[in-house]
Amino acid sequence: RKEVEQDPGPFNVPEGATVAFNCTYSNSASQSFFWYRQDCRKEPKLLMSVYSSGNEDGRFTAQLNRASQYISLLIRDSKLSDSATYLCVVNDYKLSFGAGTTVTVRA
Amino acid sequence: GAVVSQHPSRVICKSGTSVKIECRSLDFQATTMFWYRQFPKQSLMLMATSNEGSKATYEQGVEKDKFLINHASLTLSTLTVTSAHPEDSSFYICSARDIAEGVYEQFFGPGTRLTVL
Repeated sequence: RKEVEQDPGPFNVPEGATVAFNCTYSNSASQSFFWYRQDCRKEPKLLMSVYSSGNEDGRFTAQLNRASQYISLLIRDSKLSDSATYLCVVNDYKLSFGAGTTVTVRA
Repeated sequence: GAVVSQHPSRVICKSGTSVKIECRSLDFQATTMFWYRQFPKQSLMLMATSNEGSKATYEQGVEKDKFLINHASLTLSTLTVTSAHPEDSSFYICSARDIAEGVYEQFFGPGTRLTVL
């Protein structure tokens, strides 16, 4: 089983829509989680950390479900600029990356 | 946020040559740097952890004699791909961890795209 698994998508959504996707992780002892964003042929950039109680950053909401070992990312009111690949990352001292979920927002 | 640079950004070389990639932390000191490789449509895979002043720690399946890592200072780590072959063509990304004042976020360099002909 991979350490971090994501639905690769792609998720094609119209502007203004809400899109959500999950990521599962295998190590039940993992404590630290992140969502990164990666644009085509670019390096990953930190989007947000994921806290136990769930957290919001503008239009982005991250949730953690320890019992089922998954984290989720929800994007509200999608913008064209949200089109990217979203990487789920588990930090067990070293970062383990999922393969990414591709989101395409269309006009 | 902190800045990490990589050089070169793109390399095209012939099979059998060696390629050196530099990773620099520009505004902070990084005792630990990480080297990743990403093949198309795949996740970033950690290749090795580079610690300043000591030998790098390689992940399983990564040949240490092929991928030479040197972390000579707190702001510079280098990865040398020795005797590169077409299957080494990939996107190589470094990251650096800023441990000043308890900041443990990893900052990524812009990546180096290596094409071996």
